[in-house]
Amino acid sequence: QKEVEQNSGPLSVPEGAIASLNCTYSDRGSQSFFWYRQYSGKSPELIMFIYSNGDKEDGRFTAQLNKASQYVSLLIRDSQPSDSATYLCAVLGGKLIFGQGTTLQVKP
Amino acid sequence: GAVVSQHPSWVICKSGTSVKIECRSLDFQATTMFWYRQFPKQSLMLMATSNEGSKATYEQGVEKDKFLINHASLTLSTLTVTSAHPEDSSFYICSAPSPGSYEQYFGPGTRLTVT
Repeated sequence: QKEVEQNSGPLSVPEGAIASLNCTYSDRGSQSFFWYRQYSGKSPELIMFIYSNGDKEDGRFTAQLNKASQYVSLLIRDSQPSDSATYLCAVLGGKLIFGQGTTLQVKP
Repeated sequence: GAVVSQHPSWVICKSGTSVKIECRSLDFQATTMFWYRQFPKQSLMLMATSNEGSKATYEQGVEKDKFLINHASLTLSTLTVTSAHPEDSSFYICSAPSPGSYEQYFGPGTRLTVT
């Protein structure tokens, strides 16, 4: 079992829709969870981090964490073509472990 | 915000030669830096943890004699790919933890092509 799992996609949504990205992790002791966006040929950029169970909102982005289910998600509201990228879920235990990433395509 | 730089941004070298990649924290000190490798269509894989003043910690399966890491100062870590081969061609990214938080700042990456 991989430590951090994501559906590789691609996930395709129309412009203006909500994109839902999911991630599960295996280490119950993990405390910090991150969502990064990566454009092709570029390094990852941090979108959001979450430490506590529940929801955390920042603009069009909402991160959701459920430690009991070992599940973290990212919702992108009002998706824009510029949101098209690969989204990486990362979990911090003793080190930062990345999932394989989900490719999001937002179609105009 | 804090910035991490990498140099060079891209490099092409011949098989059998060595290549050095620099990672600098520009406005903060980093006693620890991380080196990742990313192959096309794959995620970031942690190669090693660079520790200022001590030996680097390598992940399982990473050859420490091939990927030499030197954390020369609180703002500089270098990764040297020795005797490079075409299969070492990849995107190498470094990161440094933000002081006082769990966030990591990533460098812009170095694209290595070995011919």
